[in-house]
Amino acid sequence: KNEVEQSPQNLTAQEGEFITINCSYSVGISALHWLQQHPGGGIVSLFMLSSGKKKHGRLIATINIQEKHSSLHITASHPRDSAVYICAFRTGNQFYFGTGTSLTVIP
Amino acid sequence: DGGITQSPKYLFRKEGQNVTLSCEQNLNHDAMYWYRQDPGQGLRLIYYSQIVNDFQKGDIAEGYSVSREKKESFPLTVTSAQKNPTAFYLCASSIFISNRRQGTGEKLFFGSGTQLSVL
Repeated sequence: KNEVEQSPQNLTAQEGEFITINCSYSVGISALHWLQQHPGGGIVSLFMLSSGKKKHGRLIATINIQEKHSSLHITASHPRDSAVYICAFRTGNQFYFGTGTSLTVIP
Repeated sequence: DGGITQSPKYLFRKEGQNVTLSCEQNLNHDAMYWYRQDPGQGLRLIYYSQIVNDFQKGDIAEGYSVSREKKESFPLTVTSAQKNPTAFYLCASSIFISNRRQGTGEKLFFGSGTQLSVL
């Protein structure tokens, strides 16, 4: 049973569009992670948030702890944003990961 | 630059052969993890280690083995008992951080991965 659900699974956008990726989880957590995986395979951590909102450049992450829901927004999307975006959380000594949202931004 | 180095990037296994994937980190992190990634699935935990000379099975440990003799190194062996080894393997480490900019919690760091295929 996957305790992390992401939507959409695939997303294609025109350059400049505002993008939203959603993540829902089923257990109480202390922090939610957003990760980015580029076509080469390596994964980088974008955000770790426990409440409210965080912003880094054109990326914004929000979380609603009561509703067990988080969103990742990309403003003014660019082809270099094309990647797989993964949400994850840690409980006990393990991390649990969503299946990822594959984003393609077309010039 | 600190980070996690995985090698090789591509690896081919013959039937009945054991192969070892290397993972080295110079981040001084205690916790290290091995994940398997298959198309359309989230990362699944194979093994993790919280400290040197100790490791725990994850959700899909069968057919795999690990060692943690040094803090920096956490190699994964894919044994012949693993009947479906073709996948992308990611090594990771984590450390607890707490600051205004990054937040509070265990932050994950990943290697660049090893693609294992069966000949």
